[in-house]
Amino acid sequence: GAVVSQHPSWVICKSGTSVKIECRSLDFQATTMFWYRQFPKKSLMLMATSNEGSKATYEQGVEKDKFLINHASLTLSTLTVTSAHPEDSSFYICSALTGYNEQFFGPGTRLTVL
Amino acid sequence: AQSVTQPDIHITVSEGASLELRCNYSYGATPYLFWYVQSPGQGLQLLLKYFSGDTLVQGIKGFEAEFKRSQSSFNLRKPSVHWSDAAEYFCAGALNNDMRFGAGTRLTVKP
Repeated sequence: GAVVSQHPSWVICKSGTSVKIECRSLDFQATTMFWYRQFPKKSLMLMATSNEGSKATYEQGVEKDKFLINHASLTLSTLTVTSAHPEDSSFYICSALTGYNEQFFGPGTRLTVL
Repeated sequence: AQSVTQPDIHITVSEGASLELRCNYSYGATPYLFWYVQSPGQGLQLLLKYFSGDTLVQGIKGFEAEFKRSQSSFNLRKPSVHWSDAAEYFCAGALNNDMRFGAGTRLTVKP
């Protein structure tokens, strides 16, 4: 099956700094990628839909200025958590949509903000 | 509104026993349906999916699921659970590339 990677797999940062998370489709091109957030012992919450070459579509309640998404190529989408605070600590998971409308998920990035 | 419901938050079964995890969906049309498994601190692994056709779907690791339109359900089953099956299981539905997840069911396997 298709492979999606995320980098880094975990990151610890100080409050007020920005963190960039990369999501790559390794063996296919993805015009659409998705970013999810998962709180401990909770389900995945869709944050935004990332479209190559255009602006991301954010779900209601997700601050677009806080969570910057860039999808500059068909294999890479990035999520930047700006001015991170402890409440942003979470598990962030991306997925990429194949041409057959299947989503493949990355392994996730654990963000801890001190 | 489109939604997926997993009624059971936590299930405990003995190793070797059978397992059924429940999933119900609420959509205007029949969505694509998926079951994923997540081990602690890990991403999601697809167990199986239903797009159309045969309503009994076979997946990896000995899992299967049955789509029942009349009950709006897509329950996951395994005839004999192994200790390594302990994990969090998520049911998901997708329509027009909009994927919604259930709240998850945590499976504990007793020796």
